[in-house]
Amino acid sequence: DVKVTQSSRYLVKRTGEKVFLECVQDMDHENMFWYRQDPGLGLRLIYFSYDVKMKEKGDIPEGYSVSREKKERFSLILESASTNQTSMYLCASSDPTSGYTFGSGTRLTVV
Amino acid sequence: DAKTTQPPSMDCAEGRAANLPCNHSTISGNEYVYWYRQIHSQGPQYIIHGLKNNETNEMASLIITEDRKSSTLILPHATLRDTAVYYCIVRVAPLITQGGSEKLVFGKGMKLTVNP
Repeated sequence: DVKVTQSSRYLVKRTGEKVFLECVQDMDHENMFWYRQDPGLGLRLIYFSYDVKMKEKGDIPEGYSVSREKKERFSLILESASTNQTSMYLCASSDPTSGYTFGSGTRLTVV
Repeated sequence: DAKTTQPPSMDCAEGRAANLPCNHSTISGNEYVYWYRQIHSQGPQYIIHGLKNNETNEMASLIITEDRKSSTLILPHATLRDTAVYYCIVRVAPLITQGGSEKLVFGKGMKLTVNP
């Protein structure tokens, strides 16, 4: 019954590494989103995509990029990981007739 | 974009109804009210949404005031597993007309603790 799958539950990376966070949904949703969640700051939108190869910046896109080559997959890329990118990353998908469905999250630690 | 205001926390006794308030005084006529909750270390879970009329599903009921400036999420018989952070969100209008993309803006939510 899993609908939005994030490839890793926990991840530890070194400063300066290129990091890929993968998200796959099986509901044929048009829209996909990447959020990060930090204590006291809530969920903040990084990037979203409303179609294949389309992307839009969210509220905090700096230091991140995304890729949507296929409808079901939305990747978040940290070009050069930094310690301030240590966070919980949440992927979600939606379409105009449904609510959002979130993945279980990836807890990334950059050391 | 309409913003929401929720109290930071609330306690409820197990088996009792939990009434979770939310203010959204700047809501626009075509904006929906959504409720999500997040149990510790999990992704947010959709609960319910509504526009004007009261709504009920297997999880909860949503009561929206006539002027739409506030709403209440009701968990009729709270259980320990309902302990979570609850988010009241007003759906932001699409940024573009073609494609119909929409984004949800999350506030800090309200921590509900259900006590035995």
